[in-house]
Amino acid sequence: GAVVSQHPSWVICKSGTSVKIECRSLDFQATTMFWYRQFPKQSLMLMATSNEGSKATYEQGVEKDKFLINHASLTLSTLTVTSAHPEDSSFYICSAQSGTGVLGGQPQHFGDGTRLSIL
Amino acid sequence: AQSVTQPDIHITVSEGASLELRCNYSYGATPYLFWYVQSPGQGLQLLLKYFSGDTLVQGIKGFEAEFKRSQSSFNLRKPSVHWSDAAEYFCAVGANQAGTALIFGKGTTLSVSS
Repeated sequence: GAVVSQHPSWVICKSGTSVKIECRSLDFQATTMFWYRQFPKQSLMLMATSNEGSKATYEQGVEKDKFLINHASLTLSTLTVTSAHPEDSSFYICSAQSGTGVLGGQPQHFGDGTRLSIL
Repeated sequence: AQSVTQPDIHITVSEGASLELRCNYSYGATPYLFWYVQSPGQGLQLLLKYFSGDTLVQGIKGFEAEFKRSQSSFNLRKPSVHWSDAAEYFCAVGANQAGTALIFGKGTTLSVSS
């Protein structure tokens, strides 16, 4: 159980293009989804936290207008990289967490990531 | 400030040898601790987690970790490493509240020699 599907796994596109990445929880309802960015040989950097039906909370330094996050349902969140440029090339990983309230400790389940290459 | 430190960037062990990956954390509240493994080009897979209770936790693939509050550590161990264990390992700490993101260490790359 607790499978998170991320699509596409790899995308190559031209500079200036907008790219949408989907993150789906397949067998559970994800109250919260997280979007991370990972540079080569580095750790995961949290970009934003997304709760179903509300606006995402972005980390300091992450451009809201650049990285649009939508969490319209309990099983789907999308990250759209608008007007992508080569510096946006990276590995993007989503994770999903079930549970609400203070009964925390619910582990985050990760998708397999999306490798974005902007030419 | 909340942080996770993995002191070893890269470790090489011989197949069949024991393994210990170090993790130290700094967290203001009671931490929830996790170890994840990442194969190249893949997402993260949860190996084990510590919430409370027994400080020695067992995970998948023969891994275990011990929580030592006095040392703020949560080291990952495996008695006998297999070549398939070669991967990137991340220690993470989280809050006792749903909807709070994990804080990750920088990771340790494990290589296994034959």
